[in-house]
Amino acid sequence: DTEVTQTPKHLVMGMTNKKSLKCEQHMGHRAMYWYKQKAKKPPELMFVYSYEKLSINESVPSRFSPECPNSSLLNLHLHALQPEDSALYLCASSQEAGGKETQYFGPGTRLLVL
Amino acid sequence: GDSVTQMEGPVTLSEEAFLTINCTYTATGYPSLFWYVQYPGEGLQLLLKATKADDKGSNKGFEATYRKETTSFHLEKGSVQVSDSAVYFCALNSGGSNYKLTFGKGTLLTVNP
Repeated sequence: DTEVTQTPKHLVMGMTNKKSLKCEQHMGHRAMYWYKQKAKKPPELMFVYSYEKLSINESVPSRFSPECPNSSLLNLHLHALQPEDSALYLCASSQEAGGKETQYFGPGTRLLVL
Repeated sequence: GDSVTQMEGPVTLSEEAFLTINCTYTATGYPSLFWYVQYPGEGLQLLLKATKADDKGSNKGFEATYRKETTSFHLEKGSVQVSDSAVYFCALNSGGSNYKLTFGKGTLLTVNP
């Protein structure tokens, strides 16, 4: 089973709202990722967690706050977003980080910021 | 740094036509290579992969061979179906502390009945 699940599927929020995206995997993977994908573009890496510790932050604005409560769960907390943050947010996982690992993606959360 | 160049679409084919989407790469060492597919409104699905030179990845009638001498990983399918309409991304992972996949820009494939 190579399933990564994400909730919610769609999210609409105002610029003053606080919301969270959730990602879950039960493959025993120790690395989890957040990507942002704009229309007609490839995904762009935002954050990498390895063994529940933040390993990479690709200079993402502080209005995006990741959290890894345990090895199966990854959250992305959103606060004071801008309309340009509207995008598809993808979660991925891999066995390990740092190797030439295969990353498995979830279905994404389509976010619209009004 | 690492980079992936894939043919830019859109590519439009008739059902049962032969498909080739070209992908070449620049990377440190010997990366793992991947093709991901994104159907409309969905996330990315791993289509196939290859981890060393001359490996052939295959899945759902799609194939790609890791060619180190030409630094290529072209995607092929002998007979496309309407259901293959999607965006296809070539990607590599060269490992190390980089952690991230390097993607091509994506190729939109439309298959007409």
